[in-house]
Amino acid sequence: AQTVTQSQPEMSVQEAETVTLSCTYDTSENNYYLFWYKQPPSRQMILVIRQEAYKQQNATENRFSVNFQKAAKSFSLKISDSQLGDTAMYFCAFIDTQGGSEKLVFGKGTKLTVNP
Amino acid sequence: DADVTQTPRNRITKTGKRIMLECSQTKGHDRMYWYRQDPGLGLRLIYYSFDVKDINKGEISDGYSVSRQAQAKFSLSLESAIPNQTALYFCATRATGQGGTEAFFGQGTRLTVV
Repeated sequence: AQTVTQSQPEMSVQEAETVTLSCTYDTSENNYYLFWYKQPPSRQMILVIRQEAYKQQNATENRFSVNFQKAAKSFSLKISDSQLGDTAMYFCAFIDTQGGSEKLVFGKGTKLTVNP
Repeated sequence: DADVTQTPRNRITKTGKRIMLECSQTKGHDRMYWYRQDPGLGLRLIYYSFDVKDINKGEISDGYSVSRQAQAKFSLSLESAIPNQTALYFCATRATGQGGTEAFFGQGTRLTVV
């Protein structure tokens, strides 16, 4: 079974600085997708960024970028120029596209606090 | 209007009661999911459905049942609620056949069983 591990339950960063959230996953599949979701206090789940496993280039969305290491099964999220509005729970998620299961599996989350 | 709508937003119920959480979507997606979120445990999959006739158990389906009444509607039932089912519940949808498409979530239902 696929698993997703986020080893940092909580993190904090000063406003305007950079922070990296870690995520590792376990799968025997070759084609799959990885996501980072943000959950602010409003509890809405918001997609931050998406990575396709067959693409070597790391995905980037404005201040958010990933470091995707397929061989190491690692998918970390880097937030640059942190803003107060980045304070939220962040979830790493995985979905495989072979075998038809299409289960979307989440990690346990990292609570990020951005301090002024 | 939200693309994925969950009702109710909040609910308090008594132990032993039957309760249904409803989810409807206007996105035209055929994949629908129910998750449960608990502090420190992330989101865990309860059930998921590929279409009206294709429903699958997730990792924590015991104590829950689902009904896919139409492509746009996917309901989660607790036949006899117990306190450890107190949690935040999310419905999500995805588009067909494209593994890379993200899930779209409802705003969640906070359920408290007393």
